[in-house]
Amino acid sequence: AQSVTQLDSQVPVFEEAPVELRCNYSSSVSVYLFWYVQYPNQGLQLLLKYLSGSTLVKGINGFEAEFNKSQTSFHLRKPSVHISDTAEYFCAVSDGYLIQGAQKLVFGQGTRLTINP
Amino acid sequence: EAGVTQFPSHSVIEKGQTVTLRCDPISGHDNLYWYRRVMGKEIKFLLHFVKESKQDESGMPNNRFLAERTGGTYSTLKVQPAELEDSGVYFCASSPQQGRSGANVLTFGAGSRLTVL
Repeated sequence: AQSVTQLDSQVPVFEEAPVELRCNYSSSVSVYLFWYVQYPNQGLQLLLKYLSGSTLVKGINGFEAEFNKSQTSFHLRKPSVHISDTAEYFCAVSDGYLIQGAQKLVFGQGTRLTINP
Repeated sequence: EAGVTQFPSHSVIEKGQTVTLRCDPISGHDNLYWYRRVMGKEIKFLLHFVKESKQDESGMPNNRFLAERTGGTYSTLKVQPAELEDSGVYFCASSPQQGRSGANVLTFGAGSRLTVL
């Protein structure tokens, strides 16, 4: 079975500093990988995804992630964070479930990113 | 395009009572999913509909939970009778069928927070 580990439950960062949120997954098959973000009092929003092709994936709001198959990682990075990036971030992997184009996602426990002025 | 809509946003009920959560997916999306996040833990898959048919309900915790999607449009998730451990945030998501734009990516609603006292 698939599993996802987000190594940090909380990450405090100063504004304009770089940040990396770590995500490792376990899988015996090819995977699709996702990062979702949940801003305070809002729902889950797709930040970026890796389905195939280039291992460096760019998403919204200046975030990017790199798929590393040998290390089974999909870390999320941003070179300079803003106060508005304060949110909870979730890494997810598909369960290889592609019936009718569906995806069965397995999520990590989430990383709460706090940006301090 | 309207997003995934969930109602109610927050429900507080007594143990033993019944609650029904509703999800309106994006129009035309055949795939509809329910996920749940119990306090501080990871978001977990509950079940998946393709149109009106239950494709996978392996994540449903027990027979107190009943999901329906009559006519293949909106879906309801009923909890009867509710227990304390059912408290959490219930997310609904939808995705189009394979071959259509946006396939393989889930769009989530804002969630329905359930508190059982």
